[in-house]
Amino acid sequence: DAGVIQSPRHEVTEMGQEVTLRCKPISGHDYLFWYRQTMMRGLELLIYFNNNVPIDDSGMPEDRFSAKMPNASFSTLKIQPSEPRDSAVYFCASSWGTEPPTEYFGPGTRLTVL
Amino acid sequence: GDSVTQMEGPVTLSEEAFLTINCTYTATGYPSLFWYVQYPGEGLQLLLKATKADDKGSNKGFEATYRKETTSFHLEKGSVQVSDSAVYFCALSEDNFNKFYFGSGTKLNVKP
Repeated sequence: DAGVIQSPRHEVTEMGQEVTLRCKPISGHDYLFWYRQTMMRGLELLIYFNNNVPIDDSGMPEDRFSAKMPNASFSTLKIQPSEPRDSAVYFCASSWGTEPPTEYFGPGTRLTVL
Repeated sequence: GDSVTQMEGPVTLSEEAFLTINCTYTATGYPSLFWYVQYPGEGLQLLLKATKADDKGSNKGFEATYRKETTSFHLEKGSVQVSDSAVYFCALSEDNFNKFYFGSGTKLNVKP
């Protein structure tokens, strides 16, 4: 398996623009997680899905952020409009519901909002 | 609520030195405990895990023992290498849940 795939790897955009980050989880995994990593706040869980259904979105910072998982092999994280403080590395991770669960992380998308 | 606290870094060591990175946790149930490692420019990778009290997880010369009495899961390695330079994250997951709680990460710098 290719592991968790994220695209793009780097994104530079201007304030106010819409940004869409993409993730393909490992085949067969039924949990998908979106994290944000910054120097100031460390690793933050934004939202996670189970069987394509959002379970906990309490980490989503504000209404400008939205995430979808239309099927088991694809998820998006959208920021609209983007702001400079959204600059961070965004990670997608997936796991399957075994004991114990183990999360597998993608390489991340480095977002820079100018 | 559940949480993980790990020692602040950076930790700077010379090659072949002994490493300890402290991690303590708070959990409502009986969690599984994990150490993840993040190399520069990469995502987090599972390093080792332990699922119950007194279990020892080990991998690549790293070890950590699940201590329920002290709610700790300290990471150790007897002789670090330059290639071990990375950020190390302690994490927990409660039984039957897939939500992970990560510590703030500890950066390790190993000098030749």
